Amino acid sequence: EAGVVQSPRYKIIEKKQPVAFWCNPISGHNTLYWYLQNLGQGPELLIRYENEEAVDDSQLPKDRFSAERLKGVDSTLKIQPAELGDSAVYLCASSFSQGGEQFFGPGTRLTVL
Amino acid sequence: KNQVEQSPQSLIILEGKNCTLQCNYTVSPFSNLRWYKQDTGRGPVSLTIMTFSENTKSNGRYTATLDADTKQSSLHITASQLSDSASYICVVSAAGGTSYGKLTFGQGTILTVHP
Repeated sequence: EAGVVQSPRYKIIEKKQPVAFWCNPISGHNTLYWYLQNLGQGPELLIRYENEEAVDDSQLPKDRFSAERLKGVDSTLKIQPAELGDSAVYLCASSFSQGGEQFFGPGTRLTVL
Repeated sequence: KNQVEQSPQSLIILEGKNCTLQCNYTVSPFSNLRWYKQDTGRGPVSLTIMTFSENTKSNGRYTATLDADTKQSSLHITASQLSDSASYICVVSAAGGTSYGKLTFGQGTILTVHP
């Protein structure tokens, strides 16, 4: 069974440019999470979806970050415009339900120049 | 505020040696505690999970302990291998209410195993 798939794996952009990350969760997993992980730190939750509904986006910087999970399966996280401080790894995770074990994707490493 | 603190921040050991990583948490109400292994360039992978009533859990050469009274956990690695080089993250899940299932991550301990 395939795990959580993310793309791209690496992205280098100049500041003020837009960028988008894509995540395909494990089949059947209703809950999807986006995390931000800075170097040497643990992941920090950005947003959690239950099916297609964003149920916890309190930590998402809504002035520049947006996310969607159309049809309750794949999800896209967008940053527009990107800032130097956005350089980090963006992890996607999924679980069968809220509180269930979370399975993580490999992450997208973003570098903003 | 829910917090998870890990020590040491980094550790270097020789192949074949044992080591123990520490985790202190203040998450309340407590649901479970997991230790994750994160290889460089990869997402975290769960090693063990312990609930309130469990005080030890093994997964091969990895043994985790939990003291729910003192809110401390440890991860012991026996006979280390080069492939154990990774970041080990302690993660505590909250129980009940709006925080149900919400994870609080430690900053991780970076383990390097040298031949």
